Formats: sequence, structure tokens, C-alpha cells
Amino acid sequence: DAMVIQNPRYQVTQFGKPVTLSCSQTLNHNVMYWYQQKSSQAPKLLFHYYDKDFNNEADTPDNFQSRRPNTSFCFLDIRSPGLGDAAMYLCATSLSTGGADYGYTFGSGTRLTVV
Amino acid sequence: RKEVEQDPGPFNVPEGATVAFNCTYSNSASQSFFWYRQDCRKEPKLLMSVYSSGNEDGRFTAQLNRASQYISLLIRDSKLSDSATYLCVVNRASGGSYIPTFGRGTSLIVHP
Repeated sequence: DAMVIQNPRYQVTQFGKPVTLSCSQTLNHNVMYWYQQKSSQAPKLLFHYYDKDFNNEADTPDNFQSRRPNTSFCFLDIRSPGLGDAAMYLCATSLSTGGADYGYTFGSGTRLTVV
Repeated sequence: RKEVEQDPGPFNVPEGATVAFNCTYSNSASQSFFWYRQDCRKEPKLLMSVYSSGNEDGRFTAQLNRASQYISLLIRDSKLSDSATYLCVVNRASGGSYIPTFGRGTSLIVHP
């Protein structure tokens, strides 16, 4: 089945130690998104790619970076994780921006713990 | 004012009840609207898109009111398995694209 896969499901990292989360998709969607979701809060968009075109949200900290080497893969790099970065990180895809076609498909998320 | 606002609840209802959630949005240029369901510690999953004319999918009915800038979700004959958080998603215009913005979700608890 076509899907969005995130690895790992659970990630524990040390305070200040760089960590990379990965997302892959078999949907051949043009757009990939990274969201951060903390407990009982709305998913917050960090950035998105339309093909190779990177779009950063204005309030996304510099500590968060992203790479999309090809259509299928997208990575979230956290350069120096702080305790406040502990959250669920969700990757999503859509065929086009706006999702007006089929909405957004989410991966199962990576739950990041910072110790 | 937040871009997308929802009453967080929780809404605590008995099985078989009808329950309605509202969601308001601030960007009048928003084009697409969705309801997502999120179970505890899981990813959001698309429940239904919301169309201008309103749409129904089984026990679920979604409505859009552009003039008042809100969307609603009605669940009839609630089941225990409907217990979840329901997230409203609205697209906002951003530099020629439309970006999905989530509400914080409304928690529903259906009890026997």
C-alpha cells in the first residue's frame, strides 16, 4: 500500500546532541510537510517542500533544518535539541499545496524524547 | 485571534447521542477544509473533506459557512469507537500556496 513512513517511531536523544528524523513516501506526492505536535496542542507546521522548493515558517527556530534529497525522502534535522523540543514530529504529504485533491496523508510520527 | 479555533472540550456523551463540533477560522481566503481524527498518541487521519454544499458520510455530516467563517462536524448515533480528538484543518494562503493549519482539536469521549 502506498503510504508515508517515519523512522524511528521513538527516538531518545541527549540534550544538545544532533538528531535526524526521516520520512519516506510511496505516494509520489509533490509536497512534504513537517509538523511538531506537543501534548494537547495543535500540530504546528515547521516547514514544507513543494518538490525541491523549501518553505520555512517564519517562527520555526533555526535549530530545525530539513533536507529533501529526492521526491520520496525528507529529513528533519535538529541541530541542538533542547528539552522544549520533546514532541511528536509528524510528516505529511499532499499531491499539491492546498490538499484540495485528497487532503493530507500523515506518517505515524516520531516521538522524540530529550534527556 | 488564532487562525483556527476549536473548543477543546472534552465532550462527554453517551452512546447513541448526537454531538456537534464547531471550528472557526480567521483567513477569509481559505480554500480547503477538512476534519481529521486523531487517536491518543497516533497520527491524524482524514475523516472527511468539507465542501461548500455540505457533505455527509454515514453518521458524519460536515458543513461550511464561509460568511461566518466556520465549519462544523455532526456525529449522529455516537459509538464508543468515536472517542478521539477531532482536528479541524483549514488552508491559509501563503505566497501563492495554501498551507494546512490545524486547530488544537476537540476531544470526544463516548461512554456506555
